[in-house]
Amino acid sequence: SQTIHQWPATLVQPVGSPLSLECTVEGTSNPNLYWYRQAAGRGLQLLFYSVGIGQISSEVPQNLSASRPQDRQFILSSKKLLLSDSGFYLCAWSGGQGGLEQFFGPGTRLTVL
Amino acid sequence: GQNIDQPTEMTATEGAIVQINCTYQTSGFNGLFWYQQHAGEAPTFLSYNVLDGLEEKGRFSSFLSRSKGYSYLLLKELQMKDSASYLCAVGVGGFKTIFGAGTRLFVKA
Repeated sequence: SQTIHQWPATLVQPVGSPLSLECTVEGTSNPNLYWYRQAAGRGLQLLFYSVGIGQISSEVPQNLSASRPQDRQFILSSKKLLLSDSGFYLCAWSGGQGGLEQFFGPGTRLTVL
Repeated sequence: GQNIDQPTEMTATEGAIVQINCTYQTSGFNGLFWYQQHAGEAPTFLSYNVLDGLEEKGRFSSFLSRSKGYSYLLLKELQMKDSASYLCAVGVGGFKTIFGAGTRLFVKA
């Protein structure tokens, strides 16, 4: 069966500090991978998606970046965090041997102070 | 542009039936999804409709009318554990999915 891991679960960072969030998927190959952000009480905002190693599509211009160094690894980064970067960050996967529905990791709750 | 509308909140009674509506206007369409999200947790997949009509899965059913840009999620025999947000989402082509803001459902005893 497929599983998706995200870490850390919670993170408190000062403004201007760097960020690295990691997501890995097990039990499938060549998945489509996604990063979303959810502000408190709001919907999911698509940040990045990737259909293969090294292929990243950015949906929202901002101070975040994403990388996919391996087939089942997706990393979200920032060089300098802003207060507005606070939120619930969710990694998801779809495709591989599955359908179009997305399966989400447990999320990282980021607070920027 | 891409737009998905659903009510912000709904309240229903345990054991009852509730219908959560969703309307959409998107530049592409390759299916409509419903997800459930409990507070503080990640969304979980509930249903997928790509053709018009009703899909039933246990206590949950989902309906789609592509010509009207309309879907609903029907929850029967409501239980307290059904209190959650329900997200309507549209596949807009390629591998992208656009999510609505979600409907918070409160189930009361």
